[in-house]
Amino acid sequence: EPEVTQTPSHQVTQMGQEVILRCVPISNHLYFYWYRQILGQKVEFLVSFYNNEISEKSEIFDDQFSVERPDGSNFTLKIRSTKLEDSAMYFCASSEGRYNSPLHFGNGTRLTVT
Amino acid sequence: DAKTTQPPSMDCAEGRAANLPCNHSTISGNEYVYWYRQIHSQGPQYIIHGLKNNETNEMASLIITEDRKSSTLILPHATLRDTAVYYCIVRGYLHGSGNTGKLIFGQGTTLQVKP
Repeated sequence: EPEVTQTPSHQVTQMGQEVILRCVPISNHLYFYWYRQILGQKVEFLVSFYNNEISEKSEIFDDQFSVERPDGSNFTLKIRSTKLEDSAMYFCASSEGRYNSPLHFGNGTRLTVT
Repeated sequence: DAKTTQPPSMDCAEGRAANLPCNHSTISGNEYVYWYRQIHSQGPQYIIHGLKNNETNEMASLIITEDRKSSTLILPHATLRDTAVYYCIVRGYLHGSGNTGKLIFGQGTTLQVKP
Protein backbone atom coordinates (compact mmCIF):
# COMPACT_ATOMS: atom_id res chain seq x y z
CA GLU A 1 0.00 0.00 0.00
CA PRO A 2 1.43 3.43 -0.94
CA GLU A 3 2.50 5.58 1.97
CA VAL A 4 3.83 9.01 2.82
CA THR A 5 7.52 8.90 3.68
CA GLN A 6 9.43 11.48 5.69
CA THR A 7 13.14 12.01 6.16
CA PRO A 8 15.04 12.25 8.37
CA SER A 9 13.26 10.49 11.21
CA HIS A 10 15.18 12.58 13.73
CA GLN A 11 16.96 15.89 13.21
CA VAL A 12 19.01 17.68 15.82
CA THR A 13 19.99 21.28 15.14
CA GLN A 14 21.30 24.29 16.98
CA MET A 15 19.18 27.34 17.62
CA GLY A 16 19.39 29.79 14.74
CA GLN A 17 20.21 27.15 12.13
CA GLU A 18 18.08 26.41 9.10
CA VAL A 19 16.48 23.00 8.72
CA ILE A 20 14.68 21.35 5.83
CA LEU A 21 12.27 18.52 6.51
CA ARG A 22 11.48 16.32 3.57
CA CYS A 23 8.40 14.39 2.57
CA VAL A 24 7.43 12.22 -0.36
CA PRO A 25 3.64 12.24 -0.62
CA ILE A 26 1.60 9.47 -2.21
CA SER A 27 2.10 9.77 -5.95
CA ASN A 28 -1.39 10.56 -7.24
CA HIS A 29 -2.26 12.94 -4.43
CA LEU A 30 -2.86 16.62 -5.09
CA TYR A 31 -3.17 18.21 -1.64
CA PHE A 32 -0.27 18.40 0.77
CA TYR A 33 -0.09 19.39 4.41
CA TRP A 34 2.34 19.93 7.26
CA TYR A 35 1.39 19.48 10.89
CA ARG A 36 3.38 19.58 14.08
CA GLN A 37 2.98 18.09 17.52
CA ILE A 38 4.88 19.45 20.49
CA LEU A 39 5.52 16.73 23.06
CA GLY A 40 2.38 16.00 25.05
CA GLN A 41 0.23 18.40 23.04
CA LYS A 42 -2.28 18.24 20.19
CA VAL A 43 -1.48 17.72 16.55
CA GLU A 44 -1.55 21.24 15.08
CA PHE A 45 -2.15 22.29 11.48
CA LEU A 46 0.60 24.38 9.92
CA VAL A 47 -0.03 24.72 6.19
CA SER A 48 -1.76 23.25 3.19
CA PHE A 49 -0.43 23.33 -0.37
CA TYR A 50 -2.19 22.79 -3.65
CA ASN A 51 -1.37 23.54 -7.25
CA ASN A 52 2.12 24.71 -6.32
CA GLU A 53 1.03 27.33 -3.86
CA ILE A 54 0.05 27.69 -0.25
CA SER A 55 -3.71 27.47 0.03
CA GLU A 56 -4.06 27.92 3.77
CA LYS A 57 -1.77 28.50 6.73
CA SER A 58 -2.18 28.76 10.46
CA GLU A 59 -0.94 31.46 12.82
CA ILE A 60 1.98 29.20 13.69
CA PHE A 61 3.23 29.31 10.10
CA ASP A 62 5.03 32.65 10.26
CA ASP A 63 7.78 34.10 8.08
CA GLN A 64 10.30 31.64 9.49
CA PHE A 65 8.51 28.79 7.73
CA SER A 66 8.29 28.04 4.05
CA VAL A 67 7.17 25.10 1.93
CA GLU A 68 8.14 23.98 -1.50
CA ARG A 69 7.45 21.23 -3.97
CA PRO A 70 10.73 21.38 -5.87
CA ASP A 71 9.95 18.50 -8.21
CA GLY A 72 7.10 16.12 -8.90
CA SER A 73 7.67 14.00 -5.84
CA ASN A 74 9.12 15.89 -2.87
CA PHE A 75 7.39 18.33 -0.52
CA THR A 76 9.60 20.21 1.92
CA LEU A 77 9.20 22.34 5.01
CA LYS A 78 11.97 24.81 5.75
CA ILE A 79 12.49 26.58 9.04
CA ARG A 80 14.90 29.46 8.45
CA SER A 81 16.18 30.20 11.92
CA THR A 82 15.15 27.57 14.41
CA LYS A 83 14.10 28.40 17.95
CA LEU A 84 13.95 26.13 20.97
CA GLU A 85 10.16 26.15 20.74
CA ASP A 86 10.28 24.65 17.26
CA SER A 87 11.24 21.34 18.86
CA ALA A 88 8.40 19.01 17.93
CA MET A 89 7.31 16.12 15.73
CA TYR A 90 6.54 17.35 12.23
CA PHE A 91 4.09 15.34 10.16
CA CYS A 92 3.53 15.55 6.44
CA ALA A 93 0.21 14.46 4.95
CA SER A 94 -1.32 14.18 1.53
CA SER A 95 -4.74 13.51 0.04
CA GLU A 96 -6.30 12.96 -3.36
CA GLY A 97 -8.95 15.62 -2.94
CA ARG A 98 -10.77 17.61 -0.35
CA TYR A 99 -13.62 16.47 1.81
CA ASN A 100 -14.23 12.88 0.87
CA SER A 101 -10.59 11.87 0.60
CA PRO A 102 -8.74 11.08 3.81
CA LEU A 103 -5.40 12.62 4.62
CA HIS A 104 -2.61 10.07 4.86
CA PHE A 105 0.18 10.94 7.25
CA GLY A 106 3.83 10.05 7.35
CA ASN A 107 5.50 8.88 10.54
CA GLY A 108 7.05 12.24 11.15
CA THR A 109 10.40 13.90 11.75
CA ARG A 110 11.37 14.57 15.33
CA LEU A 111 13.09 17.96 15.38
CA THR A 112 15.20 18.77 18.40
CA VAL A 113 16.55 22.31 18.67
CA THR A 114 19.34 22.75 21.20
CA ASP B 1 -15.62 22.91 11.07
CA ALA B 2 -17.93 21.65 13.80
CA LYS B 3 -16.50 20.96 17.22
CA THR B 4 -16.42 17.42 18.58
CA THR B 5 -16.55 16.13 22.14
CA GLN B 6 -14.94 12.85 23.16
CA PRO B 7 -14.30 11.25 26.55
CA PRO B 8 -10.65 11.73 27.51
CA SER B 9 -10.04 8.05 28.21
CA MET B 10 -11.58 4.59 28.00
CA ASP B 11 -10.55 1.05 28.83
CA CYS B 12 -11.43 -2.10 26.93
CA ALA B 13 -10.67 -5.76 27.53
CA GLU B 14 -8.67 -7.51 24.86
CA GLY B 15 -10.91 -9.41 22.47
CA ARG B 16 -13.98 -7.36 23.31
CA ALA B 17 -15.53 -4.67 21.17
CA ALA B 18 -14.34 -1.13 21.83
CA ASN B 19 -17.07 1.48 21.34
CA LEU B 20 -15.74 5.01 21.18
CA PRO B 21 -18.36 7.78 21.27
CA CYS B 22 -18.19 11.24 19.75
CA ASN B 23 -20.59 14.15 19.94
CA HIS B 24 -20.77 16.65 17.09
CA SER B 25 -24.05 18.41 17.70
CA THR B 26 -23.23 21.41 15.48
CA ILE B 27 -22.38 19.34 12.41
CA SER B 28 -23.80 20.68 9.18
CA GLY B 29 -25.22 18.73 6.29
CA ASN B 30 -22.14 18.57 4.13
CA GLU B 31 -19.60 17.80 6.82
CA TYR B 32 -18.00 14.38 7.10
CA VAL B 33 -17.09 12.55 10.29
CA TYR B 34 -13.53 11.22 10.22
CA TRP B 35 -11.76 8.96 12.69
CA TYR B 36 -8.01 8.74 13.10
CA ARG B 37 -5.78 7.19 15.71
CA GLN B 38 -2.25 7.88 16.89
CA ILE B 39 -0.11 5.18 18.42
CA HIS B 40 2.69 6.58 20.60
CA SER B 41 4.21 9.43 18.57
CA GLN B 42 3.61 7.90 15.17
CA GLY B 43 1.76 9.78 12.49
CA PRO B 44 -2.04 9.84 12.74
CA GLN B 45 -3.52 6.81 11.03
CA TYR B 46 -6.73 7.05 9.06
CA ILE B 47 -9.42 4.62 10.22
CA ILE B 48 -12.75 5.43 8.60
CA HIS B 49 -15.06 8.25 7.59
CA GLY B 50 -18.73 8.78 6.77
CA LEU B 51 -21.33 11.36 5.91
CA LYS B 52 -24.64 9.93 7.11
CA ASN B 53 -24.70 6.21 6.43
CA ASN B 54 -23.00 3.67 8.63
CA GLU B 55 -19.66 2.54 7.25
CA THR B 56 -17.51 -0.54 7.75
CA ASN B 57 -14.03 -1.41 6.61
CA GLU B 58 -11.37 -3.89 7.61
CA MET B 59 -10.40 -1.85 10.65
CA ALA B 60 -13.63 -0.64 12.17
CA SER B 61 -17.29 0.30 11.86
CA LEU B 62 -18.69 3.79 12.08
CA ILE B 63 -22.23 4.29 13.33
CA ILE B 64 -23.70 7.76 12.76
CA THR B 65 -27.01 8.64 14.40
CA GLU B 66 -29.89 9.62 12.19
CA ASP B 67 -29.70 13.27 13.27
CA ARG B 68 -25.91 13.10 12.71
CA LYS B 69 -25.23 14.76 16.05
CA SER B 70 -23.17 11.88 17.35
CA SER B 71 -21.27 8.85 16.15
CA THR B 72 -19.58 5.74 17.51
CA LEU B 73 -16.44 4.07 16.29
CA ILE B 74 -16.49 0.33 16.88
CA LEU B 75 -13.37 -1.83 16.93
CA PRO B 76 -14.99 -5.26 16.89
CA HIS B 77 -12.26 -7.30 18.58
CA ALA B 78 -9.79 -4.99 20.28
CA THR B 79 -6.18 -6.12 20.60
CA LEU B 80 -3.33 -4.68 22.63
CA ARG B 81 -2.07 -3.04 19.44
CA ASP B 82 -5.25 -0.95 19.32
CA THR B 83 -4.09 0.99 22.39
CA ALA B 84 -3.86 4.54 21.03
CA VAL B 85 -5.38 8.01 21.04
CA TYR B 86 -8.50 8.08 18.86
CA TYR B 87 -9.60 11.31 17.22
CA CYS B 88 -13.07 12.10 15.95
CA ILE B 89 -12.91 15.00 13.49
CA VAL B 90 -15.62 16.78 11.56
CA ARG B 91 -14.42 18.00 8.20
CA GLY B 92 -16.22 19.71 5.42
CA TYR B 93 -17.22 22.88 3.72
CA LEU B 94 -16.56 26.28 5.06
CA HIS B 95 -17.90 29.22 3.12
CA GLY B 96 -15.30 31.54 1.73
CA SER B 97 -11.83 31.09 0.45
CA GLY B 98 -8.92 29.30 2.05
CA ASN B 99 -10.66 26.11 3.08
CA THR B 100 -8.45 23.29 1.98
CA GLY B 101 -9.91 20.24 3.64
CA LYS B 102 -7.48 20.30 6.53
CA LEU B 103 -8.17 18.27 9.64
CA ILE B 104 -8.33 19.94 13.04
CA PHE B 105 -7.32 17.60 15.84
CA GLY B 106 -8.66 17.81 19.37
CA GLN B 107 -7.42 15.93 22.39
CA GLY B 108 -9.10 12.66 21.40
CA THR B 109 -9.87 9.59 23.52
CA THR B 110 -7.01 7.54 24.91
CA LEU B 111 -8.09 3.92 24.57
CA GLN B 112 -6.25 1.45 26.75
CA VAL B 113 -6.79 -2.19 25.77
CA LYS B 114 -6.05 -4.45 28.70
CA PRO B 115 -5.19 -8.16 28.67
